[in-house]
Amino acid sequence: AQKVTQAQTEISVVEKEDVTLDCVYETRDTTYYLFWYKQPPSGELVFLIRRNSFDEQNEISGRYSWNFQKSTSSFNFTITASQVVDSAVYFCALSGGNTGKLIFGQGTTLQVKP
Amino acid sequence: DAGVIQSPRHEVTEMGQEVTLRCKPISGHDYLFWYRQTMMRGLELLIYFNNNVPIDDSGMPEDRFSAKMPNASFSTLKIQPSEPRDSAVYFCASTVAYGGPETQYFGPGTRLLVL
Repeated sequence: AQKVTQAQTEISVVEKEDVTLDCVYETRDTTYYLFWYKQPPSGELVFLIRRNSFDEQNEISGRYSWNFQKSTSSFNFTITASQVVDSAVYFCALSGGNTGKLIFGQGTTLQVKP
Repeated sequence: DAGVIQSPRHEVTEMGQEVTLRCKPISGHDYLFWYRQTMMRGLELLIYFNNNVPIDDSGMPEDRFSAKMPNASFSTLKIQPSEPRDSAVYFCASTVAYGGPETQYFGPGTRLLVL
C-alpha cells in the first residue's frame, strides 16, 4: 500500500527563520512520483514541485528547496528566510505506477509570524 | 490559458436534496480527478477519468455519489440524496499523461455545506 506521512501537524516560526517540512512515504513501486502542493488560506491547491523516483538531485527554486532521499524514503521541503506570505498548509503527495492517483499526506500547517 | 474551472464555488443545501458539482478541465488534458477534503480524512481521491472513461471509482463513498464525464471538457459529481456528513470541499483536478503521472492542476474547489 502507498502512504505519505507528514508528522508535523503545525509549525510556527518567526519571519526570516528557515523551516523544514518533513515528508516520509511508503510504496512498493519502483517508479513513482512525489509532489508538494501549497494550500494558502484562500483554499486553492497550488503545485510547487514534482520529482520522479530516478532523480534524487536536490532542487532549489528561490527560497524553496527540496531534499529527496530514497534511502530514507523522505522528500523534505525547506523554506529559507520565511515570509508571512508563506503561511499555508503544505501537502506532500505520492503517485505510483501509471495510475496518476495522488496519495496525500495529512498536511503541515505553517504559520509565519511577523 | 484558463485553469480548471469549478462551479459553484459555494453550495449550501438541506439534507436530502440533490447536489451537482461541475468541472471544466484544462483544455487538452485527458485525465480528470475528483477529490474531497475534510478535516477528519484530509484529501482523498473519489474517482478519476481517462479520455472520459471512469477508471477507478473505489474512493466513491457510497451509491449516493455518482460522477460522469460526457465529453472532454465537462464533468459532474452528483450527490443524491445529500447528508450533513457530505459537507466538505470538493476539488477537481486535471492532467495530461506522457507515459507517467504528470502534475495535476487543481480547480478552486466547491465548498459544500449540507444542513
